[in-house]
Amino acid sequence: EVQLVESGGGLVQPGGSLRLSCAASGFSFASHWMTWIRQAPGKGLEWVANIQQDGVKAHYGDSVRGRFTISRDNTRDSVFLQMNSLRADDTAVYYCAKHTFYMFDSWGQGTLVSVSS
Amino acid sequence: QSALTQPPSASGSPGQSVTISCTGTSSDVGGYNYVSWYQQHPGKAPKLMIYEVNKRPSGVPDRFSGSKSGNTASLTVSGLQSEDEADYYCSSNAGDNSVFGGGTKLTVL
Repeated sequence: EVQLVESGGGLVQPGGSLRLSCAASGFSFASHWMTWIRQAPGKGLEWVANIQQDGVKAHYGDSVRGRFTISRDNTRDSVFLQMNSLRADDTAVYYCAKHTFYMFDSWGQGTLVSVSS
Repeated sequence: QSALTQPPSASGSPGQSVTISCTGTSSDVGGYNYVSWYQQHPGKAPKLMIYEVNKRPSGVPDRFSGSKSGNTASLTVSGLQSEDEADYYCSSNAGDNSVFGGGTKLTVL
């Protein structure tokens, strides 16, 4: 059974940093792109970033490019999201998702990031 | 990276059919056959319901179907059941990125 477990969320002040982690199990992690998707309170889903199987290629949404960095460790079956220069509008539940041929076929339960002073 | 356009709400009575649209551009929905649909119940993570426009993952009832014409994709839910009441999001490949629709709240009357 595929499992994705996010961690690292919490309350942070504007301008601060946070690192999210997502531990994967139940599938061949190193064979799949991985993606972070977020959902602001009461709002819709927003694609944030994805990363290729070997970690060489990564792509970012316009709203986070230059502030967020996605990375992965295939020896630990984990994907990460380093978030810097956080703003109030980054407040959201952050989901990691397994990315298979342009679909997100498995999702974690999400971790809440709150940016507030 | 503009969001895809979905109606904010849709509704139908049990047993009826309802169709939700998802409009993009030739750079996303119209340019690729990689449209997917997700169902989200309150407080839960999204669940994949349709992928590659019209394919259903194992375990998804055949009451759910997808289609696409030009820059607009559609999700049809036939034989509505109470458990279908949820938010539905479309998504499309857009080159190196992906883009989501704003979501549609489906109410079963």
